[in-house]
Amino acid sequence: GAGVSQSPRYKVAKRGQDVALRCDPISGHVSLFWYQQALGQGPEFLTYFQNEAQLDKSGLPSDRFFAERPEGSVSTLKIQRTQQEDSAVYLCASSPLEPNSGNTIYFGEGSWLTVV
Amino acid sequence: KQEVTQIPAALSVPEGENLVLNCSFTDSAIYNLQWFRQDPGKGLTSLLLIQSSQREQTSGRLNASLDKSSGRSTLYIAASQPGDSATYLCAVGNYGQNFVFGPGTRLSVLP
Repeated sequence: GAGVSQSPRYKVAKRGQDVALRCDPISGHVSLFWYQQALGQGPEFLTYFQNEAQLDKSGLPSDRFFAERPEGSVSTLKIQRTQQEDSAVYLCASSPLEPNSGNTIYFGEGSWLTVV
Repeated sequence: KQEVTQIPAALSVPEGENLVLNCSFTDSAIYNLQWFRQDPGKGLTSLLLIQSSQREQTSGRLNASLDKSSGRSTLYIAASQPGDSATYLCAVGNYGQNFVFGPGTRLSVLP
């Protein structure tokens, strides 16, 4: 596809349930980012991949959050034992090169997670 | 730790007005700064990217300036239109790190 694709777009999970969010970056993009955006706030960094290597996971809020990009293209963000505070939009973005190389980043439309 | 703030939080103007959105950051050692637009229920669309060596960038009716020493950037929108209604986010890139976003300014342009 032409842009970053995320699925599912909307997910309602019961507290304690595990969820998996998928991101298809733009083909050939080296960098992939996950951000979390709470209602009315700006996105907050979660983790970053360069190809298949997870180079920065400093933003993951707890060990219940796990991300992978095993073949350097599609990425999955997994949240175990979801809590109500996990309710947010999870945005995926990709970029042709490494961060701050002068290239812009392209965002998907996000996966809206509601934990009830 | 880099912190980014945006003023005002919300703005409502009549169509045709020129307007300025403000972004401030605490650490001036930035690599670049980017302005994004976010429509309700949508992802972010990049508007302008300013490298640290630049002072401004222009695209159509949009002009973004950067003053690293004072930790400020402004986004100027000329002759605003109802289609400009959205949330505008600025994001700062520090060396070797990822973007840090501000909370956004919610803009409404009234016809």
